[in-house]
Amino acid sequence: AQKVTQAQTEISVVEKEDVTLDCVYETRDTTYYLFWYKQPPSGELVFLIRRNSFDEQNEISGRYSWNFQKSTSSFNFTITASQVVDSAVYFCALSGHDYKLSFGAGTTVTVRA
Amino acid sequence: EPEVTQTPSHQVTQMGQEVILRCVPISNHLYFYWYRQILGQKVEFLVSFYNNEISEKSEIFDDQFSVERPDGSNFTLKIRSTKLEDSAMYFCASSVRRSSSYNSPLHFGNGTRLTVT
Repeated sequence: AQKVTQAQTEISVVEKEDVTLDCVYETRDTTYYLFWYKQPPSGELVFLIRRNSFDEQNEISGRYSWNFQKSTSSFNFTITASQVVDSAVYFCALSGHDYKLSFGAGTTVTVRA
Repeated sequence: EPEVTQTPSHQVTQMGQEVILRCVPISNHLYFYWYRQILGQKVEFLVSFYNNEISEKSEIFDDQFSVERPDGSNFTLKIRSTKLEDSAMYFCASSVRRSSSYNSPLHFGNGTRLTVT
């Protein structure tokens, strides 16, 4: 069975602060895929990143960065210099070879001006 | 960029009524999915569909639910007799291939918010 744990329910920061969202996963698959999605107040799911289990290289995309640590089964997400527009619910998700995604409970990020 | 389209964006129905949620996947995609998100909770997999049949379904997807691809473009989710607890956001998704690979991303629609009163 696959499981994703996002222990942080809510995070509130002031604009320009960095914020790190934790994601810990469990799977028996040797090949698996990890995802982050953003869900703004309007409700849609916005794809942010996909990472496969063989690629532990960290990734940076603008103000976003991801830290994949297979040894600790974690795939953490950092927003640098947060902005009000970053306010959303962020979901970490895990899948095997198919697209049956298991989502975490989500972390609500509130960025205050 | 092609996108998955879901209609309506919001549907209100009375308990016990049948409801059909509609999705138009991206045209060259072959795999189709429905996910559900009860308000304030996580997104949950409901069902996957390929070659005109269900590939996999979750325990949530009981006999009240059915999916269909009635023509070459639409993919529908039917709830036969809605219950209050069916109130949720329903997301349709599609992909070219079954597996999660870099050249076959999963595309989600914007969701249909179903409210059962």
